Amino acid sequence: DTGVSQDPRHKITKRGQNVTFRCDPISEHNRLYWYRQTLGQGPEFLTYFQNEAQLEKSRLLSDRFSAERPKGSFSTLEIQRTEQGDSAMYLCASSSLWQETQYFGPGTRLLVL
Amino acid sequence: GESVGLHLPTLSVQEGDNSIINCAYSNSASDYFIWYKQESGKGPQFIIDIRSNMDKRQGQRVTVLLNKTVKHLSLQIAATQPGDSAVYFCAETLNRDDKIIFGKGTRLHILP
Repeated sequence: DTGVSQDPRHKITKRGQNVTFRCDPISEHNRLYWYRQTLGQGPEFLTYFQNEAQLEKSRLLSDRFSAERPKGSFSTLEIQRTEQGDSAMYLCASSSLWQETQYFGPGTRLLVL
Repeated sequence: GESVGLHLPTLSVQEGDNSIINCAYSNSASDYFIWYKQESGKGPQFIIDIRSNMDKRQGQRVTVLLNKTVKHLSLQIAATQPGDSAVYFCAETLNRDDKIIFGKGTRLHILP
């Protein structure tokens, strides 16, 4: 399968713990996006990379959140000191310069107890 | 504000009939529009897109219509099948490589 992959698919953690999610974009896609989706809502933009450069961050991305894409391929999203309000589906999408449609991965569902 | 809204949270359609899902967008500067389908527990799946210089685009069993005068977008699904059951989101961007702004979604139920 050459689609966007995310790991883990599910994560349950206790409040105050740190969590890290990984996204592997479609091969050769140079743009990578993170979104968050809460129950019953559409996804909301968090941040965006072009190659290894983080070009935009949403106000939703508090200082407890950090994202990296060190080699311009896979990306990680870390949440420090998780709060119950962080419970959501975290989605990753990627796109290329030549076909800019964003394709989404299956998401990581986070539950903070 | 920058938001995309949908007219109906839920739509029920008889199997075999055509489905029409409507969406109103608020940002007249939006340049690119997309419809995504999301099944339970999965990520959004691209269905069809349209640029602001077009008013209609057809795919396989799906058609997207764009009316910029009234800022309205619709998705038509022909001969609706049980596998079409999902939540459908319309979405917009200012540029095709920009962040996507999603609406709240319409849940499509297929009646036997």
